[in-house]
Amino acid sequence: ETGVTQSPTHLIKTRGQQVTLRCSSQSGHNTVSWYQQALGQGPQFIFQYYREEENGRGNFPPRFSGLQFPNYSSELNVNALELDDSALYLCASSFSGRIREQYFGPGTRLTVT
Amino acid sequence: DAKTTQPPSMDCAEGRAANLPCNHSTISGNEYVYWYRQIHSQGPQYIIHGLKNNETNEMASLIITEDRKSSTLILPHATLRDTAVYYCIVSNDYKLSFGAGTTVTVRA
Repeated sequence: ETGVTQSPTHLIKTRGQQVTLRCSSQSGHNTVSWYQQALGQGPQFIFQYYREEENGRGNFPPRFSGLQFPNYSSELNVNALELDDSALYLCASSFSGRIREQYFGPGTRLTVT
Repeated sequence: DAKTTQPPSMDCAEGRAANLPCNHSTISGNEYVYWYRQIHSQGPQYIIHGLKNNETNEMASLIITEDRKSSTLILPHATLRDTAVYYCIVSNDYKLSFGAGTTVTVRA
């Protein structure tokens, strides 16, 4: 069974740029959630995708957007990067029948300079 | 979602049971209690969740008080690999908001 994978592992961007992060769900999972974890803090929910539609959103501005593809993989896009967007971005997948059990990937460390 | 309170840190001896407390006095009737842990430099790992009844799986046991205002995660035989930040989360859906958690250090 393949776990959740994310790419890239690390990324450095400049303020104002745009970034795309990628996530492959665990085998058999059809729901993907994205989280932001600032240094020294717990992860915070950004949004969730189910059947290629956004299925819920946390307190993040519209410049954070996402996609889910037919194979259940997902992308997180962030436009107009700000210094405060520097964080570990985590993807979590789950099966809709057991949605309360989320399985996290290792994350992408984004640094905005 | 209801707020949770956890001790910032605790130590545990290897081979002994680790009892991690969590206070959630404002929990509402449809909110679940979740426990996740995060080992350094890794993504969080699901441990267990429950609504009213006590739950047990291969990793841990979750004891929820009758009034549901607090809970305890029990790691029955702690190993050095259990050293991690443990998060107690209360939510009525899948939108998990992680607090600061408890840093658990298992010592040989």
